[in-house]
Amino acid sequence: NAGVTQTPKFQVLKTGQSMTLQCAQDMNHNSMYWYRQDPGMGLRLIYYSASEGTTDKGEVPNGYNVSRLNKREFSLRLESAAPSQTSVYFCASKGGYNSPLHFGNGTRLTVT
Amino acid sequence: AQSVTQPDIHITVSEGASLELRCNYSYGATPYLFWYVQSPGQGLQLLLKYFSGDTLVQGIKGFEAEFKRSQSSFNLRKPSVHWSDAAEYFCAVVIDSWGKLQFGAGTQVVVTP
Repeated sequence: NAGVTQTPKFQVLKTGQSMTLQCAQDMNHNSMYWYRQDPGMGLRLIYYSASEGTTDKGEVPNGYNVSRLNKREFSLRLESAAPSQTSVYFCASKGGYNSPLHFGNGTRLTVT
Repeated sequence: AQSVTQPDIHITVSEGASLELRCNYSYGATPYLFWYVQSPGQGLQLLLKYFSGDTLVQGIKGFEAEFKRSQSSFNLRKPSVHWSDAAEYFCAVVIDSWGKLQFGAGTQVVVTP
């Protein structure tokens, strides 16, 4: 049972380049999330998708876009990367309202 | 606004000693609370959760947490830590009707021999 799978694991970008982080879950969860993790700041929500076909902004959405491709997949796109987007990105999914989040293993992104 | 605070950024504990990690929340209704653990280079793993009922919650890896409404706290404890407990620990609370979670800043636990 794979759970939540993120690709790639590592990425280095130059300022202004674009890229898409991929996430897929095989638990038939309705909700999916993208977080970024920075030292001393915990996890901050970038975007989320409460169900297939819907997406909403979280706490720190600027500079990002998302696509909920189907129930399984939720991608995060950086159109023009900036050094401030250097971070570890986590995708997560959850079933019901009070269900726990299930996390992927993260993507470590460096923007130079 | 709902929030969660972990007052301790870093804790050092000797192997075999007890551990307590603090978590305070700000939420009007009965909160749904979680503790997660993150080992280096890994994603977050659920340790335990509280929704209602018994205020002392048992989790995996020998951890427990106690919900105290009067103190707005949900502290995590382990009676005797092992070297493998060295990790970062996050408290989280559900903050809206969609079930979104707000995370604390985390507490880094170092275990010394």
